Amino acid sequence: AQKITQTQPGMFVQEKEAVTLDCTYDTSDQSYGLFWYKQPSSGEMIFLIYQGSYDEQNATEGRYSLNFQKARKSANLVISASQLGDSAMYFCAMREGLQGAQKLVFGQGTRLTINP
Amino acid sequence: EAQVTQNPRYLITVTGKKLTVTCSQNMNHEYMSWYRQDPGLGLRQIYYSMNVEVTDKGDVPEGYKVSRKEKRNFPLILESPSPNQTSLYFCASSFTPPPPGDTQYFGPGTRLTVL
Repeated sequence: AQKITQTQPGMFVQEKEAVTLDCTYDTSDQSYGLFWYKQPSSGEMIFLIYQGSYDEQNATEGRYSLNFQKARKSANLVISASQLGDSAMYFCAMREGLQGAQKLVFGQGTRLTINP
Repeated sequence: EAQVTQNPRYLITVTGKKLTVTCSQNMNHEYMSWYRQDPGLGLRQIYYSMNVEVTDKGDVPEGYKVSRKEKRNFPLILESPSPNQTSLYFCASSFTPPPPGDTQYFGPGTRLTVL
């Protein structure tokens, strides 16, 4: 069963608009971590933001914020004031357990295109 | 500079010709892992290692081998590559256990084409 689901294969957004990338997850663990990565056309994986399952506040990092809705098992990435350089592939990932188990399970990715 | 390095970055080879993709990290991380990325599938774990001489299969280990003789190195070996192993490969590393919020550090990726 898919543990991380990203339902938007592609998104097109006008520059300076906010954009929300969807991510839902499935786990029976109480302790887990959620990550978002950006992959530009050059191919490297760039870590953007992290949310722990016990964190009560939504994580924020500059223009990135994570809309964490635990009961709905969703961890959407919000990018405010999008820029042309935000055009990339975005992956949601989960790490189950806080100790020892370190496998990251990835979603299928969402390709974001920012139009000028 | 803390980093994970992979070599080669690009490789085109032919079916059946053994190859090794090297991975090295300079952060003294215990945990290392290999992923492959395919369109529409995201990244999937091939093998991982919790420490020296400790390795285990991930989700898609068929056709691959690994070894961990030194803490810093975790090579990926394709004994007899086939076209379905054409993919983008990432090596990653982290501490064990990872500090809260600490991500895995990814290498730059190796793009492999098997003809």
